[in-house]
Formats: sequence, structure tokens, C-alpha cells
Amino acid sequence: GENVEQHPSTLSVQEGDSAVIKCTYSDSASNYFPWYKQELGKRPQLIIDIRSNVGEKKDQRIAVTLNKTAKHFSLHITETQPEDSAVYFCAALRPQGGSEKLVFGKGTKLTVNP
Amino acid sequence: DTGVSQNPRHKITKRGQNVTFRCDPISEHNRLYWYRQTLGQGPEFLTYFQNEAQLEKSRLLSDRFSAERPKGSFSTLEIQRTEQGDSAMYLCASSFDKETQYFGPGTRLLVL
Repeated sequence: GENVEQHPSTLSVQEGDSAVIKCTYSDSASNYFPWYKQELGKRPQLIIDIRSNVGEKKDQRIAVTLNKTAKHFSLHITETQPEDSAVYFCAALRPQGGSEKLVFGKGTKLTVNP
Repeated sequence: DTGVSQNPRHKITKRGQNVTFRCDPISEHNRLYWYRQTLGQGPEFLTYFQNEAQLEKSRLLSDRFSAERPKGSFSTLEIQRTEQGDSAMYLCASSFDKETQYFGPGTRLLVL
């Protein structure tokens, strides 16, 4: 089955710096890769996603890149702000196989210091 | 609020008791998912429904767990004979396109 590895587990940056979180997946048939932001005690919130027919996607300060050959994808946050502090989860899904379950990484706790 | 809703938000129970959680998906979404999240981990898939049909169950879903979606709208997740290891956040998500899943706020279960 699919396995998603996420690094680093914690990341601390200064306000205004960039943050990068990396994930690798094992199932080459996976073709949908969302990123979720979860603040303490709140629901996971979808912030950006990418499909395997696209190499990069950007939404304001957030971007995601995908390397299908290497089976890894990354989240990039530029000009970080204190409100970006949260736990970020990557996930992978392989809908063609009949399964619709998201397989999540273990999360990255991002702290943005003012 | 037109997002996914879950009730109750918190549940404390004694070991051996039964508990039931409810999830109301976004109204036009025909797919509904249950996940479990423990501290410091990502959500783990439990089961999912397309309309009222339960199409996949994880091996994590022991025979003490049962989920229903009788009319293809809201869903319930029941845990019988709760154990301390069942303590977790139970998250529900819904989707209209097999991919984009929107999560509810979760039900935090504590088994004493």
C-alpha cells in the first residue's frame, strides 16, 4: 500500500523567511497530492493541492512542486507570517485503484517567530 | 456554516461503554470519509461511503467499529465496548470529486 514520508517533523523560521516541507510517496500510481494546515484544536484545512499532470502550482505565498520520477513533492511558503504557524500535513491518493483514501504524512510543526 | 459538521465535539466515556458520533457532510457531497487522528500523527483512514454504500474499510476498523450512512446524507460511527486505545480524534470528511476532501472539526474521544 501507499506510504508517505514527511520531513522535517519540526521547522522554525523567522518571520519573512521561506519554509519548505518535503514529502515522498511509495505508490507510483498515486496522482493527487493535497496539503492540509491544522491549527491547534482545529480541523485540517486544505490549502493547496496538485495533480500528477502538473509539475508546479502556486497560490499567492504558497506553492507546491511535484517530481513524479523521484516520487516526491514539496510545499513552499514564502514571506512567512506568524499566522502560518501550524502543523502541515501532506497526503497522497490513488483514485484509479478504487481506493479513495488519503494517506497522510506524520506532519510538520511550523513555527514562525516574529 | 455550510462546512462539514460533527457532533459531539468532545466525548468522555468509561472503558466498555458504547459511543456514537455523527457527521453531517457538505450538502451536495455524495462521498463521506471517516479518519482517526492520534496525537502527533496524521489522520488515518477508517472507512468511506459513496451515497449510502460503504465501499472501503481499513484494517484499523475492528469489529467493534461500525459506520452507517442510511440515507446517503449524514453518517454515524459507533464504537462498541470502548478501550483506552480508542482515545483519539475522529474526523469526518466529505467530497464531491473523489479527491478534494473537506474535513469537519472532529470528535475528540477520551476513554477512561
